[in-house]
Amino acid sequence: GAVVSQHPSRVICKSGTSVKIECRSLDFQATTMFWYRQFPKQSLMLMATSNEGSKATYEQGVEKDKFLINHASLTLSTLTVTSAHPEDSSFYICSARFEGGGNTIYFGEGSWLTVV
Amino acid sequence: TQLLEQSPQFLSIQEGENLTVYCNSSSVFSSLQWYRQEPGEGPVLLVTVVTGGEVKKLKRLTFQFGDARKDSSLHITAAQTGDTGLYLCRADKLIFGTGTRLQVFP
Repeated sequence: GAVVSQHPSRVICKSGTSVKIECRSLDFQATTMFWYRQFPKQSLMLMATSNEGSKATYEQGVEKDKFLINHASLTLSTLTVTSAHPEDSSFYICSARFEGGGNTIYFGEGSWLTVV
Repeated sequence: TQLLEQSPQFLSIQEGENLTVYCNSSSVFSSLQWYRQEPGEGPVLLVTVVTGGEVKKLKRLTFQFGDARKDSSLHITAAQTGDTGLYLCRADKLIFGTGTRLQVFP
């Protein structure tokens, strides 16, 4: 099946710094990728839809200047958490739409972010 | 924002028992997916249902899409410890259900 990979799987950063998380579709091209955030023992919350070659579409309540999304190629989307604070610590998951297979969504392995 | 309500929220059972998880909404969807997620990993797709009344089976898991395409259920027969995880439904508007955390004890 289609594979989506995230990197890094775990990252620790200091408050005030920025951290970038990558999401790659390894064996298919994805014009649309999605970023989710998940708090412990809770469901996934959609943060934004990343569109190749255009601006991301953010969900209500998500700060676009804080969570920068770039989808520069058909296989890579990046999420940059800027000026990170401890409350940004969370599990971030990306997914990509496999348009050749009934628009099925495949998920990455997730990235744990800890801000200290 | 459309909402997908899952019930129960938590379920703790012994191996061999049967269980059913529900995913309900007031909206009509063209398709619905079920995922299972283990701690620290991304969700893994189990099934997609697209037709009202559709029933799909995946070994001991039976998935049903409601006739009106507003709800779905997941039934697990003879649960095993390996079934432990967070079960999530997701509709075509990219909204995830509230999740059902299943714990199966030996």
